Amino acid sequence: EVQLLESGGGLVQPWGSLRLSCAASGFTFTSYAMTWVRQAPGKGLQWVSTISGSGGNTYYVDSVKGRFTISRDNSKNTLYLQMNSLRAEDTAVYYCAKDHDPVVPAANDYWGQGTLVTVSS
Amino acid sequence: EIVLTQSPGSLSLSPGERATLSCRASQRVGSNYLAWYQQKPGQAPRFLIYGASSRATGVPDRFSGSGSGTDFTLTISRLEPEDFAVYYCQQYGSSPTFGGGTKVEI
Repeated sequence: EVQLLESGGGLVQPWGSLRLSCAASGFTFTSYAMTWVRQAPGKGLQWVSTISGSGGNTYYVDSVKGRFTISRDNSKNTLYLQMNSLRAEDTAVYYCAKDHDPVVPAANDYWGQGTLVTVSS
Repeated sequence: EIVLTQSPGSLSLSPGERATLSCRASQRVGSNYLAWYQQKPGQAPRFLIYGASSRATGVPDRFSGSGSGTDFTLTISRLEPEDFAVYYCQQYGSSPTFGGGTKVEI
């Protein structure tokens, strides 16, 4: 059974930093790209970042480029999102998600339960 | 960036009725890299459809996707009580984007 478990969310002040983690199990982690998607309170979904299975390729939405860094530790089956210079508009539930296909650009078939990040003074 | 516009914003229907949800892209979605998700309050999104028309594993056949290019549709043939939720389309070809969602309510 595929499981994704996020952690690391919380309250942080503007310009602060936070690192999210996502522990994965139930599939061959290295074979799949992984993605972070966020959802601001009462709003829709926004893709944030994707990392290839090897970790060699990373992609970001423009609004987080230069501030967020996605990474993975394939020896620990864990995905990370390092978030720096946080802004109020980064407040959201952050979901990690698995790509559904190991080969081509893919949608996201399994999602974690989400972790809430609140940026406020 | 490909902008996805979903319509209507909300849909009021009864169990047993047919739901038709639209997703229009600002430019052609390459290789029909279009997915649909269902989300209920307090829950993570659930994967329904990929490649515009392929059902994900375990998704009931009352859910169907169609369309190509810039116009896509999710149809729920006969609404069950558990289908009342918000539905999002997503293009995942490059710099993935989501539509704003359609709420299907009783």
